Amino acid sequence: KQEVTQIPAALSVPEGENLVLNCSFTDSAIYNLQWFRQDPGKGLTSLLLIQSSQREQTSGRLNASLDKSSGRSTLYIAASQPGDSATYLCAVNRDDKIIFGKGTRLHILP
Amino acid sequence: EAGVAQSPRYKIIEKRQSVAFWCNPISGHATLYWYQQILGQGPKLLIQFQNNGVVDDSQLPKDRFSAERLKGVDSTLKIQPAKLEDSAVYLCASSSAGGRGRALETQYFGPGTRLLVL
Repeated sequence: KQEVTQIPAALSVPEGENLVLNCSFTDSAIYNLQWFRQDPGKGLTSLLLIQSSQREQTSGRLNASLDKSSGRSTLYIAASQPGDSATYLCAVNRDDKIIFGKGTRLHILP
Repeated sequence: EAGVAQSPRYKIIEKRQSVAFWCNPISGHATLYWYQQILGQGPKLLIQFQNNGVVDDSQLPKDRFSAERLKGVDSTLKIQPAKLEDSAVYLCASSSAGGRGRALETQYFGPGTRLLVL
């Protein structure tokens, strides 16, 4: 059974710092992995999608890496801003079943 | 491009009552998903439609939950009767691709319906 774990559960960092969010999954046979952002009281916004054949994807200040063999992905946020405060979720897809982690609650201190 | 629409945004009911949620996906999106997100947890897939057919409903509590997607566009999710543990946010999402064995394309999520069962 696929399990997705995100560490840490919560994180507070001063504005301007670079930070890394971690995601691990137990079954490496995935089609792809996706990182989402969720703001309080709102739905999810897709940030980056990494296909199983890829090792990383970049969008602006965000960079996501995937090491399928070790069952790990990281989301790197450069030069953090208060507007980055949100919950970040990763999700893996295998056999058309999408499994989410519980998320990391990120708070950027002004 | 209009996003995924959901209504109502909030609903408070008493246990054993019935409730229905509505979702209108992005125009042209063949695949529609309903998720349940309990506070502090990640979303859990309840049911996935490809056009008006069910692709996966393995995690749908079928004794009390039902969903339909008539004409392959809008969808409704119903709970009857509701239990306290059904209190959660119900998220609807859609994507332009999907189906068994296909790589996941980006899903677009609606704002969700927050349900509180008293």
